[in-house]
Amino acid sequence: SQKIEQNSEALNIQEGKTATLTCNYTNYSPAYLQWYRQDPGRGPVFLLLIRENEKEKRKERLKVTFDTTLKQSLFHITASQPADSATYLCAPKSPGANNLFFGTGTRLTVIP
Amino acid sequence: GAVVSQHPSRVICKSGTSVKIECRSLDFQATTMFWYRQFPKKSLMLMATSNEGSKATYEQGVEKDKFLINHASLTLSTLTVTSAHPEDSSFYICSARDRAVPSTDTQYFGPGTRLTVL
Repeated sequence: SQKIEQNSEALNIQEGKTATLTCNYTNYSPAYLQWYRQDPGRGPVFLLLIRENEKEKRKERLKVTFDTTLKQSLFHITASQPADSATYLCAPKSPGANNLFFGTGTRLTVIP
Repeated sequence: GAVVSQHPSRVICKSGTSVKIECRSLDFQATTMFWYRQFPKKSLMLMATSNEGSKATYEQGVEKDKFLINHASLTLSTLTVTSAHPEDSSFYICSARDRAVPSTDTQYFGPGTRLTVL
């Protein structure tokens, strides 16, 4: 069965450091993969989409990589700030599928 | 742009009653909306896909008679939890896909509805 795993349930880092979150998937061949941010008691907010033919995507302090051989995506936040504290979800999307399935999420805490 | 609203944001009801949750796309049209359920510190679990003008498609294990979905227009989908029980207490989130941008398949999420069944 299809499975989406995010490396750790929780990650604490010091302000200013780079946070790296991992998304691994099995029994999937996604056409693209999306990353979302979710704050407590709120719906997820779309951050970035990376396609299978793209190795890397950047948006301000965010960087996403996509390795279809390793079946893995890495999500980086550089120069992290306390405001980056949230849960981050990955969602690989199979071609032709109508819906998204989300990973388990990683709760990031940036310590001032 | 791409704002999705949900109403109500919180609802407390007695066991056995029915609760309706609305999901609206405010500035775009959505032929497809999705309903998710989320338990504390868990990821989103897709319940059903709602298509405008047709019946919803439910995920395995989700009772369609328990969770009634109606998608009557391009901007509104409703989820009705019928005969609610305490185990239905959860955070319900809807999302919508912009029909004008089908290629990216980006979903825009509502703020969620916290349902508590006493």
